[in-house]
Amino acid sequence: GAVVSQHPSWVICKSGTSVKIECRSLDFQATTMFWYRQFPKQSLMLMATSNEGSKATYEQGVEKDKFLINHASLTLSTLTVTSAHPEDSSFYICSAPRQTDNSPLHFGNGTRLTVT
Amino acid sequence: AQTVTQSQPEMSVQEAETVTLSCTYDTSESDYYLFWYKQPPSRQMILVIRQEAYKQQNATENRFSVNFQKAAKSFSLKISDSQLGDAAMYFCAYSKTPDQFYFGTGTSLTVIP
Repeated sequence: GAVVSQHPSWVICKSGTSVKIECRSLDFQATTMFWYRQFPKQSLMLMATSNEGSKATYEQGVEKDKFLINHASLTLSTLTVTSAHPEDSSFYICSAPRQTDNSPLHFGNGTRLTVT
Repeated sequence: AQTVTQSQPEMSVQEAETVTLSCTYDTSESDYYLFWYKQPPSRQMILVIRQEAYKQQNATENRFSVNFQKAAKSFSLKISDSQLGDAAMYFCAYSKTPDQFYFGTGTSLTVIP
């Protein structure tokens, strides 16, 4: 079964509003979670690394003030897209490593964001 | 940073036939992990197979097997007896540690009935 839960699976919002996406590890603790963005027919682009108890680490070119990440607990990370614009429309997917099984990344089902 | 290269943006295979997807990577490390992930139209990332670099034996999972050539830094995926449900994007990935994970650009596989 799924070990990482991501919610919502799809969301439509108006320009200028904010959207929060949640990523939960279901049966393990994740001190680190990763947020990716994926454009159609392209690979996953790492946006940021979410660290429990400290600030997220953002990849070059990713606006930290636009994509707010909060790792509230050992099982929950949230990505908030602030003041969303149509160009933020994309597929966002989170992942978390479960250290015990040599399978570094378990993925959520992703969130399709559409900004109108 | 490590790089992972998938030189085949698109591949197709007849149902029940065999197809091989290519992947090469660049690293100076001796211990690391390699993975193939499948992303069907639902866009859920599904782990297909994994290989530890220190193991010489090629990994196998049912109809999926890899050809791991460490010296050549090559990690190809062979799908035998292809099924319609195998149609998806396939991503090769390299990892040294859980917080260092690199994906290739993907190969879109079409299965022809």
